Amino acid sequence: NAGVTQTPKFQVLKTGQSMTLQCAQDMNHEYMSWYRQDPGMGLRLIHYSVGAGITDQGEVPNGYNVSRSTTEDFPLRLLSAAPSQTSVYFCASSPSWDISNQPQHFGDGTRLSIL
Amino acid sequence: GNSVTQMEGPVTLSEEAFLTINCTYTATGYPSLFWYVQYPGEGLQLLLKATKADDKGSNKGFEATYRKETTSFHLEKGSVQVSDSAVYFCALSVRDSGTYKYIFGTGTRLKVLA
Repeated sequence: NAGVTQTPKFQVLKTGQSMTLQCAQDMNHEYMSWYRQDPGMGLRLIHYSVGAGITDQGEVPNGYNVSRSTTEDFPLRLLSAAPSQTSVYFCASSPSWDISNQPQHFGDGTRLSIL
Repeated sequence: GNSVTQMEGPVTLSEEAFLTINCTYTATGYPSLFWYVQYPGEGLQLLLKATKADDKGSNKGFEATYRKETTSFHLEKGSVQVSDSAVYFCALSVRDSGTYKYIFGTGTRLKVLA
Protein backbone atom coordinates (compact mmCIF):
# COMPACT_ATOMS: atom_id res chain seq x y z
CA ASN A 1 0.00 0.00 0.00
CA ALA A 2 2.12 2.89 -1.29
CA GLY A 3 -0.25 5.79 -0.49
CA VAL A 4 1.34 9.12 -1.46
CA THR A 5 4.85 8.84 -2.90
CA GLN A 6 7.15 11.84 -3.28
CA THR A 7 10.46 11.91 -5.13
CA PRO A 8 13.18 12.90 -4.60
CA LYS A 9 13.55 12.92 -0.80
CA PHE A 10 16.43 15.41 -0.88
CA GLN A 11 17.65 17.85 -3.51
CA VAL A 12 20.18 20.66 -3.69
CA LEU A 13 19.87 23.22 -6.48
CA LYS A 14 21.71 26.33 -7.54
CA THR A 15 19.87 29.63 -7.87
CA GLY A 16 18.20 29.86 -11.27
CA GLN A 17 17.97 26.12 -11.91
CA SER A 18 14.63 24.47 -12.57
CA MET A 19 13.32 21.16 -11.34
CA THR A 20 10.17 19.11 -10.83
CA LEU A 21 9.10 17.53 -7.58
CA GLN A 22 7.13 14.39 -8.25
CA CYS A 23 4.01 13.26 -6.39
CA ALA A 24 1.96 10.14 -7.09
CA GLN A 25 -0.93 8.52 -5.23
CA ASP A 26 -2.47 5.10 -5.80
CA MET A 27 -5.73 5.62 -3.91
CA ASN A 28 -7.75 7.14 -6.76
CA HIS A 29 -8.11 10.37 -4.78
CA GLU A 30 -9.69 13.39 -6.44
CA TYR A 31 -8.07 16.12 -4.32
CA MET A 32 -4.31 16.68 -4.30
CA SER A 33 -2.29 19.52 -2.88
CA TRP A 34 1.23 20.84 -2.34
CA TYR A 35 2.43 22.52 0.85
CA ARG A 36 5.69 23.99 1.99
CA GLN A 37 6.80 23.73 5.60
CA ASP A 38 9.05 26.41 7.02
CA PRO A 39 10.24 26.84 10.63
CA GLY A 40 7.76 28.80 12.72
CA MET A 41 5.23 29.02 9.88
CA GLY A 42 3.52 25.66 9.79
CA LEU A 43 2.33 24.38 6.42
CA ARG A 44 1.30 26.78 3.69
CA LEU A 45 -0.72 25.77 0.64
CA ILE A 46 1.05 26.32 -2.70
CA HIS A 47 -1.35 24.81 -5.28
CA TYR A 48 -4.15 22.31 -5.24
CA SER A 49 -6.25 20.25 -7.64
CA VAL A 50 -9.81 18.96 -7.31
CA GLY A 51 -9.47 16.54 -10.22
CA ALA A 52 -7.61 15.76 -13.44
CA GLY A 53 -7.28 18.89 -15.56
CA ILE A 54 -8.27 21.26 -12.73
CA THR A 55 -5.74 23.20 -10.66
CA ASP A 56 -5.85 26.37 -8.59
CA GLN A 57 -3.56 28.58 -6.55
CA GLY A 58 -3.15 28.41 -2.82
CA GLU A 59 -1.64 30.87 -0.38
CA VAL A 60 1.93 31.03 -1.78
CA PRO A 61 1.86 30.11 -5.51
CA ASN A 62 4.51 32.49 -6.88
CA GLY A 63 7.48 30.74 -8.47
CA TYR A 64 5.69 27.38 -8.78
CA ASN A 65 3.67 25.68 -11.51
CA VAL A 66 1.52 22.56 -11.37
CA SER A 67 -0.44 20.38 -13.76
CA ARG A 68 -2.78 17.43 -13.28
CA SER A 69 -2.98 15.35 -16.45
CA THR A 70 -3.92 12.15 -14.59
CA THR A 71 -5.71 11.37 -11.33
CA GLU A 72 -2.55 9.76 -9.93
CA ASP A 73 0.14 12.40 -10.55
CA PHE A 74 0.51 16.00 -9.41
CA PRO A 75 4.03 17.34 -10.13
CA LEU A 76 5.27 20.66 -8.76
CA ARG A 77 7.65 22.67 -10.97
CA LEU A 78 10.11 25.29 -9.82
CA LEU A 79 10.79 27.45 -12.86
CA SER A 80 13.83 29.38 -11.62
CA ALA A 81 14.89 28.38 -8.11
CA ALA A 82 15.52 31.08 -5.51
CA PRO A 83 17.04 30.75 -2.01
CA SER A 84 13.63 31.74 -0.56
CA GLN A 85 12.27 28.45 -1.90
CA THR A 86 14.50 26.43 0.42
CA SER A 87 11.95 24.41 2.39
CA VAL A 88 10.42 21.02 2.99
CA TYR A 89 7.67 20.27 0.48
CA PHE A 90 4.74 17.96 1.18
CA CYS A 91 2.22 16.52 -1.22
CA ALA A 92 -1.15 15.38 0.11
CA SER A 93 -4.30 13.77 -1.24
CA SER A 94 -7.89 13.28 -0.14
CA PRO A 95 -10.71 11.15 -1.56
CA SER A 96 -12.84 14.05 -2.76
CA TRP A 97 -12.74 17.82 -3.21
CA ASP A 98 -14.92 18.10 -0.09
CA ILE A 99 -12.15 17.88 2.49
CA SER A 100 -14.36 19.40 5.17
CA ASN A 101 -14.52 16.16 7.12
CA GLN A 102 -12.01 13.95 5.37
CA PRO A 103 -8.35 13.62 6.31
CA GLN A 104 -5.55 14.39 3.94
CA HIS A 105 -2.92 11.69 3.34
CA PHE A 106 0.60 13.09 3.26
CA GLY A 107 3.78 11.94 1.57
CA ASP A 108 7.07 11.85 3.48
CA GLY A 109 8.26 15.14 2.01
CA THR A 110 11.05 16.50 -0.18
CA ARG A 111 13.77 18.54 1.52
CA LEU A 112 14.96 21.16 -0.98
CA SER A 113 17.95 23.47 -0.55
CA ILE A 114 18.67 26.32 -2.95
CA LEU A 115 22.22 27.68 -2.86
CA GLY B 1 -9.76 35.91 7.83
CA ASN B 2 -9.21 32.28 8.72
CA SER B 3 -6.38 31.36 11.07
CA VAL B 4 -5.16 28.85 13.65
CA THR B 5 -3.09 29.74 16.69
CA GLN B 6 -1.18 27.11 18.65
CA MET B 7 0.86 27.38 21.81
CA GLU B 8 4.55 27.72 21.12
CA GLY B 9 6.84 24.87 21.97
CA PRO B 10 8.83 22.98 22.61
CA VAL B 11 6.90 21.24 25.35
CA THR B 12 9.03 18.90 27.46
CA LEU B 13 7.31 16.40 29.78
CA SER B 14 8.24 13.36 31.80
CA GLU B 15 6.71 10.02 30.89
CA GLU B 16 3.18 9.57 32.32
CA ALA B 17 2.64 13.33 32.68
CA PHE B 18 -0.58 15.04 31.55
CA LEU B 19 -0.45 16.83 28.21
CA THR B 20 -2.36 19.87 26.99
CA ILE B 21 -1.56 21.66 23.74
CA ASN B 22 -3.72 24.74 23.22
CA CYS B 23 -5.30 25.58 19.87
CA THR B 24 -7.66 28.44 19.04
CA TYR B 25 -9.07 29.39 15.68
CA THR B 26 -10.72 32.15 13.71
CA ALA B 27 -12.98 31.15 10.85
CA THR B 28 -15.98 32.22 8.85
CA GLY B 29 -18.79 29.71 8.85
CA TYR B 30 -18.50 26.33 10.54
CA PRO B 31 -15.09 24.74 10.03
CA SER B 32 -14.05 21.18 10.72
CA LEU B 33 -11.11 20.87 13.09
CA PHE B 34 -8.20 18.44 13.04
CA TRP B 35 -5.07 17.45 14.90
CA TYR B 36 -2.22 16.01 12.86
CA VAL B 37 1.02 14.48 14.18
CA GLN B 38 4.40 14.49 12.45
CA TYR B 39 7.07 12.04 13.57
CA PRO B 40 10.71 12.78 12.67
CA GLY B 41 11.42 12.40 8.96
CA GLU B 42 7.81 11.63 8.09
CA GLY B 43 4.76 13.36 6.68
CA LEU B 44 1.75 14.40 8.71
CA GLN B 45 -0.76 11.81 9.90
CA LEU B 46 -4.29 12.47 11.05
CA LEU B 47 -4.57 12.04 14.82
CA LEU B 48 -8.21 13.04 15.38
CA LYS B 49 -10.96 15.28 14.05
CA ALA B 50 -14.25 16.95 14.98
CA THR B 51 -16.73 18.26 12.46
CA LYS B 52 -19.24 20.21 14.57
CA ALA B 53 -19.56 22.04 17.86
CA ASP B 54 -19.30 19.91 21.03
CA ASP B 55 -17.93 16.93 19.07
CA LYS B 56 -15.07 15.13 20.79
CA GLY B 57 -12.40 13.52 18.66
CA SER B 58 -10.26 10.79 20.19
CA ASN B 59 -7.50 8.41 19.12
CA LYS B 60 -4.58 6.63 20.81
CA GLY B 61 -5.45 8.17 24.18
CA PHE B 62 -5.54 11.72 22.77
CA GLU B 63 -8.73 13.78 22.95
CA ALA B 64 -9.91 17.19 21.77
CA THR B 65 -13.35 18.84 22.03
CA TYR B 66 -14.69 21.35 19.49
CA ARG B 67 -15.66 24.40 21.59
CA LYS B 68 -17.51 26.93 19.47
CA GLU B 69 -18.08 29.38 22.33
CA THR B 70 -14.34 29.71 22.98
CA THR B 71 -13.25 28.89 19.39
CA SER B 72 -10.85 26.28 20.76
CA PHE B 73 -9.78 22.70 20.07
CA HIS B 74 -7.21 21.87 22.75
CA LEU B 75 -5.38 18.53 22.56
CA GLU B 76 -5.09 16.47 25.75
CA LYS B 77 -3.64 13.14 26.85
CA GLY B 78 -3.75 11.79 30.35
CA SER B 79 -0.41 9.96 30.36
CA VAL B 80 2.19 10.59 27.67
CA GLN B 81 4.81 8.09 26.51
CA VAL B 82 8.26 8.57 25.00
CA SER B 83 6.78 7.37 21.69
CA ASP B 84 4.46 10.43 21.66
CA SER B 85 7.46 12.70 21.00
CA ALA B 86 6.58 14.47 17.74
CA VAL B 87 5.31 17.74 16.30
CA TYR B 88 1.56 18.31 16.63
CA PHE B 89 -0.40 20.51 14.21
CA CYS B 90 -3.87 21.92 14.72
CA ALA B 91 -5.76 22.62 11.49
CA LEU B 92 -9.14 23.70 10.22
CA SER B 93 -10.93 23.05 6.96
CA VAL B 94 -12.90 25.96 5.59
CA ARG B 95 -14.81 26.69 2.41
CA ASP B 96 -13.15 29.46 0.44
CA SER B 97 -14.20 30.58 -3.06
CA GLY B 98 -16.15 27.39 -3.69
CA THR B 99 -13.55 24.86 -2.54
CA TYR B 100 -12.32 23.62 0.81
CA LYS B 101 -8.85 24.44 2.04
CA TYR B 102 -6.86 23.55 5.10
CA ILE B 103 -5.33 26.18 7.37
CA PHE B 104 -2.57 24.84 9.64
CA GLY B 105 -1.17 26.16 12.87
CA THR B 106 2.59 26.56 13.27
CA GLY B 107 3.00 23.25 15.10
CA THR B 108 4.02 22.38 18.68
CA ARG B 109 7.00 20.14 19.30
CA LEU B 110 6.54 17.66 22.17
CA LYS B 111 9.47 15.89 23.80
CA VAL B 112 8.75 13.19 26.36
CA LEU B 113 11.59 12.09 28.63
CA ALA B 114 11.85 8.59 30.12
